[in-house]
Amino acid sequence: DTEVTQTPKHLVMGMTNKKSLKCEQHMGHRAMYWYKQKAKKPPELMFVYSYEKLSINESVPSRFSPECPNSSLLNLHLHALQPEDSALYLCASSHRAGGPETQYFGPGTRLLVL
Amino acid sequence: LAKTTQPISMDSYEGQEVNITCSHNNIATNDYITWYQQFPSQGPRFIIQGYKTKVTNEVASLFIPADRKSSTLSLPRVSLSDTAVYYCLVGERDDKIIFGKGTRLHILP
Repeated sequence: DTEVTQTPKHLVMGMTNKKSLKCEQHMGHRAMYWYKQKAKKPPELMFVYSYEKLSINESVPSRFSPECPNSSLLNLHLHALQPEDSALYLCASSHRAGGPETQYFGPGTRLLVL
Repeated sequence: LAKTTQPISMDSYEGQEVNITCSHNNIATNDYITWYQQFPSQGPRFIIQGYKTKVTNEVASLFIPADRKSSTLSLPRVSLSDTAVYYCLVGERDDKIIFGKGTRLHILP
């Protein structure tokens, strides 16, 4: 199984809502990532988890809160988002973080903040 | 972290061979070169990776000259379904990779 799954596929939320994005992989990978991608732009790294510990936070606003409950799951908790946070949120995983590791990406969650 | 430069867009026709070149003048000794493909509203997909000379798989070939300051992704006999954005990435610093602007490849019938 070389698949990374993400739920939901689409999400519409108001600026006062709290929601969560979920990501799952069963490839035994020990590194997991969150990216944000705006239309016609490249993916931008947000967070990296290595062995279930947060290893990189690319100065992401605190309204985005990542969580890695176990080696297969990665969540992104959303609270008090702004309309400019509307984007495609991508999850990825790799065998380990660092080095030329191939990342496997999920299909993404399309988020619209009203 | 080595910065990459690619053409913003390219057009080609079905059945043609397409070559996309990426410049990475500041590549470090331990850096690898990796290419990803992304279709609209999907996550990027790994295509190929190499360190030097030539690498070939069932999808593409990657040519890397001796100085490693550039690389060329070669897609043989493209079809309409190869229309996508192609990203060249070089190395990783710590635990992160950084996507450049990519090349939008448009295949025409």
